[in-house]
Amino acid sequence: AQKVTQAQTEISVVEKEDVTLDCVYETRDTTYYLFWYKQPPSGELVFLIRRNSFDEQNEISGRYSWNFQKSTSSFNFTITASQVVDSAVYFCALSEAGFQKLVFGTGTRLLVSP
Amino acid sequence: GAVVSQHPSWVICKSGTSVKIECRSLDFQATTMFWYRQFPKQSLMLMATSNEGSKATYEQGVEKDKFLINHASLTLSTLTVTSAHPEDSSFYICSAPKAGVRSSYNEQFFGPGTRLTVL
Repeated sequence: AQKVTQAQTEISVVEKEDVTLDCVYETRDTTYYLFWYKQPPSGELVFLIRRNSFDEQNEISGRYSWNFQKSTSSFNFTITASQVVDSAVYFCALSEAGFQKLVFGTGTRLLVSP
Repeated sequence: GAVVSQHPSWVICKSGTSVKIECRSLDFQATTMFWYRQFPKQSLMLMATSNEGSKATYEQGVEKDKFLINHASLTLSTLTVTSAHPEDSSFYICSAPKAGVRSSYNEQFFGPGTRLTVL
């Protein structure tokens, strides 16, 4: 069975601080996909990244970076120099290859104060 | 990028009434669509897989007779909450996969969600 765990329920930081959101996953498949989504107060999911299980390269996109480690089944997300606009709920998700449905973690609410 | 729309974006109804939510893929065809439910301050949980031309596949614990899904065409899936009760109040989100152009992966596109409040 698949499972995604986001142990951090809520994180509060002050603007310009760096923050890392943790994600640990479980799957029996050797081929799978990992995702991060942002959900602002409007509710609409904003896609941030997809990573397949064969690509362990870390990725950086502007102030965002992701650290994928298969050895620890983790796919952590770091925001550098956080901004108030980063305040949202962030979901980590997993899907098996060949299946398109996603299993979501419980989400981490990030509050960035000025 | 691809766009998936939902209608209505929010709805308030009385207990016992039925509510229909539409999910449309605007610029691509989707033989499969997914319906998720999100209770306040909780995660998204898959309710069912909508299949064009055949019956929907429901996740364990989801009542088929209460949440009727109809995939009427390659661009439209509808979720009808029958005899809605306050405990059905939730945020309903659909998604549709679009075939990748440069990869075998089907990118998931999410609708903006429908907030249902049952009084």
